[in-house]
This record gives sequence, C-alpha cells and structure tokens, in this order.
Amino acid sequence: DSGVTQTPKHLITATGQRVTLRCSPRSGDLSVYWYQQSLDQGLQFLIQYYNGEERAKGNILERFSAQQFPDLHSELNLSSLELGDSALYFCASSGLAGANTGELFFGEGSRLTVL
Amino acid sequence: QKEVEQDPGPLSVPEGAIVSLNCTYSNSAFQYFMWYRQYSRKGPELLMYTYSSGNKEDGRFTAQVDKSSKYISLFIRDSQPSDSATYLCASSGTYKYIFGTGTRLKVLA
Repeated sequence: DSGVTQTPKHLITATGQRVTLRCSPRSGDLSVYWYQQSLDQGLQFLIQYYNGEERAKGNILERFSAQQFPDLHSELNLSSLELGDSALYFCASSGLAGANTGELFFGEGSRLTVL
Repeated sequence: QKEVEQDPGPLSVPEGAIVSLNCTYSNSAFQYFMWYRQYSRKGPELLMYTYSSGNKEDGRFTAQVDKSSKYISLFIRDSQPSDSATYLCASSGTYKYIFGTGTRLKVLA
C-alpha cells in the first residue's frame, strides 16, 4: 500500500458528461501529480500541485482542470467527456517540492470508461 | 522525439533468467532515475530510485545509469513468474517526471 488513496476506483459515464476524481496523498506529502494512462500512450503527465499551488502543467486538455485543497487532497475534473478520455487516471504524491528529486508514490488509479 | 524512450516488448524469458530492461532519455538536465513495476490494472510501484550515474542494487534488482550515453538499465537476476509485469522507467527534471511507455515482461515457469 503506497498510502495514496484514489476514488472512485471505477467510473462509467456518457459522452458530454463531467466527472470528478479525488486523490488523498500520503500523509505529509505536499506535492500531488496527476497522470493519464491509456493503452497506447503510457503514463502522460497532466498537472502537478505543491501545497495548494499549481506547479507544472503537462499535456492537460482545456476540458480538464484540477485543484489541491488546504487539506492537501486533490481533485481532477474532467468535463465534456469524449470516448478518447477513457483511461486510467493516476494520482501520485511526493514529499519534496518542485525540484522533483523525491520518490514518487502512486495510488491504485481511477478507471474511467466513457460510453 | 520522446524525452524517455523504452522498448515496449513484450519480453518473454524462462524462470531463473537474467532480465535486462533498458531506456534512453534525451534531456541532459535529468538527474534522478526510477524504475517502477506495474501489475495489470494496478498503480505503478517504485522499485529503484537512483541519482546521477552509477549502479544501485536491491536484492535481485540492479539499476544502472550511464549519463554519458543517456542510458538507463534495470537488471533482474533469478527472474520469477511473479516478476511478470510491465516495467516503467522514469526520469525527473524540473517540475516533472517523465515516464517511458513501459516494457511488458513475462517470466515463464
């Protein structure tokens, strides 16, 4: 158990809908990262937060947004969903700041299926 | 060009074999290198974490980094069927970790 908790584990929804994925980092970790993993693309970095502030953005679509709350949990919001958004979404946390020198620990992921 | 390249495999080996998994990276600023193991439909699990060039050993696993050639390797000795998984290499640089696409490994009993 990595200590990173993600909910829900599975989610099935329809095109055009909006969903929210939630992540609780390991106790004491200030950095949260979101990744998308689809069959052909591997782990794609979406966005990073450090202590409530956005620190880095990757290939995150404009339809997606995220935030990190004062209690350090994070939410990833996906809107106007398309079939191609079906993927595993992982949250990871690290104890160190934006230098990204720390070990990165992953949750079990949220599997999103868009029908 | 992807910042981290990894042969997707699949790679099948007999039980007990030595497995060599490799990645290349392009960004000279990367200084931290990791190997993750991912079982099907599970989250990636950190196996090895190394800084700069050199070797690091942990049990049956050895991670090797050659910064001069931008080459990362993971060796698994005495491979077991339980090692069957996808192995992801990763490099970290300013504000981001970049992952390879993963190599699927199957160890045959």
